[in-house]
Amino acid sequence: EAGVTQFPSHSVIEKGQTVTLRCDPISGHDNLYWYRRVMGKEIKFLLHFVKESKQDESGMPNNRFLAERTGGTYSTLKVQPAELEDSGVYFCASSQDGGHGYNSPLHFGNGTRLTVT
Amino acid sequence: AQSVTQLGSHVSVSEGALVLLRCNYSSSVPPYLFWYVQYPNQGLQLLLKYTSAATLVKGINGFEAEFKKSETSFHLTKPSAHMSDAAEYFCAVSDGNQGGKLIFGQGTELSVKP
Repeated sequence: EAGVTQFPSHSVIEKGQTVTLRCDPISGHDNLYWYRRVMGKEIKFLLHFVKESKQDESGMPNNRFLAERTGGTYSTLKVQPAELEDSGVYFCASSQDGGHGYNSPLHFGNGTRLTVT
Repeated sequence: AQSVTQLGSHVSVSEGALVLLRCNYSSSVPPYLFWYVQYPNQGLQLLLKYTSAATLVKGINGFEAEFKKSETSFHLTKPSAHMSDAAEYFCAVSDGNQGGKLIFGQGTELSVKP
């Protein structure tokens, strides 16, 4: 089975520009998560989708970040306008069961490395 | 609230030596604990998980971890390091009822010397 796929793998943009990251979860996985690792810091939860619904978006930093999952398949994470502190690696993960990853582990993508200059 | 602390951002061992990566957690509820590994240019891969069954958990690639409630620890060990074990390792705890919402430690970079 194909794993979690993220596009692009790298993105370099200037401050004030817009960037859209995409995540394709494993087919059939209703649960999709976004995480972020800012350089030198720990990986932090951003939000959780169940199908097309946002289950928990408590980790979203501010309203410059917009996540969508139309149709409950792939998801996009848009940053508009990007700031320097948005630089980091953005990970997507998916799981099969009802959000309880301890029964069905999270499968992570390789991440998108975002650099804002 | 849950939290995780990994002691040591970098650990270096010789090939064949014991690997010990330390993780301490804080949780207001019985925790579910995980170790993930990230090889260069790859995503995170689950090594093992503790879900309140046996306190000694065996994972992939010869790794294991022991849950010690009295010490609030979940240290990762491997008896004999291999060059291919060089990677970054993350300890994580699940956030209450949301098992997929993980709280990660800062990560430990493991280097293996020949």
